[in-house]
Amino acid sequence: QKEVEQNSGPLSVPEGAIASLNCTYSDRGSQSFFWYRQYSGKSPELIMSIYSNGDKEDGRFTAQLNKASQYVSLLIRDSQPSDSATYLCAVNVGGSYIPTFGRGTSLIVHP
Amino acid sequence: DVKVTQSSRYLVKRTGEKVFLECVQDMDHENMFWYRQDPGLGLRLIYFSYDVKMKEKGDIPEGYSVSREKKERFSLILESASTNQTSMYLCASSLFLNEKLFFGSGTQLSVL
Repeated sequence: QKEVEQNSGPLSVPEGAIASLNCTYSDRGSQSFFWYRQYSGKSPELIMSIYSNGDKEDGRFTAQLNKASQYVSLLIRDSQPSDSATYLCAVNVGGSYIPTFGRGTSLIVHP
Repeated sequence: DVKVTQSSRYLVKRTGEKVFLECVQDMDHENMFWYRQDPGLGLRLIYFSYDVKMKEKGDIPEGYSVSREKKERFSLILESASTNQTSMYLCASSLFLNEKLFFGSGTQLSVL
């Protein structure tokens, strides 16, 4: 079983809709969770980090963490074409302080 | 803002050549990382360094070595380049472990 799993997509949503991106992880002891956005041909940049169960909101982005079910999700409200990118989930697994990345989910927001 | 600079955006090398990829960060970060990114495989950690002259192997260190002689500079070395090392190489840094990574713009290496 992969340590950090994401559906590769693409996930296609219309402009203005809510995009929901999901990530599951195998290590129940993981404590730190990150969402990075990567535009085509560019390097990843951090969108959000979350460390506690529940929701964390930042503008149009909400990260949701459920440690009991071992998943973390990213919601993007009022999706815009400029949100079209690959979203990478990163989780510190196995007691490591170094994040393990999922393979990423491609999001396409169409006008 | 943190700036992580990779010396080359594109690089073409021959099989068997020794290749140096250079990375410099300007924010006095303790930690520096080298990842490679391949389609369908995501980001995989090659090596990281948590202090000058200190290094740790990541998930895929075979065929690579690293050097960190100064805090701001972290070099990735391919001792004898092979075609399966054709990839996008990303350098990153962070102030503390378990925190946000700042990435460089990447080096697309082609080994022919």
